[in-house]
Amino acid sequence: NAGVTQTPKFQVLKTGQSMTLQCAQDMNHEYMSWYRQDPGMGLRLIHYSVGAGITDQGEVPNGYNVSRSTTEDFPLRLLSAAPSQTSVYFCASSHSGRAFGEQYFGPGTRLTVT
Amino acid sequence: SQKIEQNSEALNIQEGKTATLTCNYTNYSPAYLQWYRQDPGRGPVFLLLIRENEKEKRKERLKVTFDTTLKQSLFHITASQPADSATYLCALDPSSRGGADGLTFGKGTHLIIQP
Repeated sequence: NAGVTQTPKFQVLKTGQSMTLQCAQDMNHEYMSWYRQDPGMGLRLIHYSVGAGITDQGEVPNGYNVSRSTTEDFPLRLLSAAPSQTSVYFCASSHSGRAFGEQYFGPGTRLTVT
Repeated sequence: SQKIEQNSEALNIQEGKTATLTCNYTNYSPAYLQWYRQDPGRGPVFLLLIRENEKEKRKERLKVTFDTTLKQSLFHITASQPADSATYLCALDPSSRGGADGLTFGKGTHLIIQP
């Protein structure tokens, strides 16, 4: 199993551009989440999904959209990138029967917005 | 507001000794507490989960305690090795309280095991 995969690994955007961060898992996990990690701060939840077709907002959802059309994929869309969205983004999945049980994280996408 | 604190400074431990990391929280009543390891440039890796009604959990050289009265968890690595050097994150999970607030992560403690 590849586990949780994320693409791209690195991305530079100009302010106002849009893009999609890809996330896929091959473990048949029901729950998936997106976090951002900034220096000096803990991981913060952006959006999460408890199953295909069901998504909800986390702590810091503004400026991001998600969808979950399949169990495997959970893309994160930046609608109009801003410098404040410069961060490292992690996708995670969980199988423990709770949305926020032990998380399996992907390798991350490092995003810079100029 | 909810707050979770971990040692913000790096923790230097000599190889072979026990490393003890602290996670304190306020204004929170977690049902579960989790510990993760994160290496530079990598995603966090799950290590241990402890429930609010458990006092202690062990896994190989790792031990976690959870004191809901003190609002504190301690994470111990015995017989520490240079390969244990990493940042360790604690995360609070309110799941049994209902809703979906998500995990609240601490900023992490950077552990350095010196040969």
